Amino acid sequence: GENVEQHPSTLSVQEGDSAVIKCTYSDSASNYFPWYKQELGKRPQLIIDIRSNVGEKKDQRIAVTLNKTAKHFSLHITETQPEDSAVYFCAASRSNDYKLSFGAGTTVTVRA
Amino acid sequence: DTEVTQTPKHLVMGMTNKKSLKCEQHMGHRAMYWYKQKAKKPPELMFVYSYEKLSINESVPSRFSPECPNSSLLNLHLHALQPEDSALYLCASSQVGTSGSGEQFFGPGTRLTVL
Repeated sequence: GENVEQHPSTLSVQEGDSAVIKCTYSDSASNYFPWYKQELGKRPQLIIDIRSNVGEKKDQRIAVTLNKTAKHFSLHITETQPEDSAVYFCAASRSNDYKLSFGAGTTVTVRA
Repeated sequence: DTEVTQTPKHLVMGMTNKKSLKCEQHMGHRAMYWYKQKAKKPPELMFVYSYEKLSINESVPSRFSPECPNSSLLNLHLHALQPEDSALYLCASSQVGTSGSGEQFFGPGTRLTVL
């Protein structure tokens, strides 16, 4: 089955700096890659996703890049703010597959 | 309505109790999921229902029994749980399509404590 590795496990950044989280996946048939943000005590919420026919996608301060050849994808957060502090999970899945294979998560702390 | 709702928010039960968790969505999604999540770990898939039929059971112990009464509701019946079953139980829903399930919308979860 699919195996998703996520690094780093913790990330501390100064407010205003950028944060980058990287994930690798093992199944070359995976073609959907969402990123979820989970604040303490709250539900996971999708912040951005990308499909394998696209190399990059951006939404305001958040961007995701995908390298299908190398089987890795990354989340980039620019101009970080205290409200960006949360646990971030990457995930991967195939078409017609309900299973999301999650990475282990990255705890991001933005220092004011 | 773009939310998944879950009740109760918190549940404390003994190992001999029987209780149920409930999940509801009105987004017209025909796939619904139960996940178990331990602190600071990713959600672990337990069950998937597609068009009200059980599609995936991730080898979950029989003390957890899912039920999908209709396209908007999903229940998880609990019986004879163990303390290690204490966790956040998340419900999710998504559309079903040829391009994959796409975005899964999560409910707020039920925080379960088994004494």
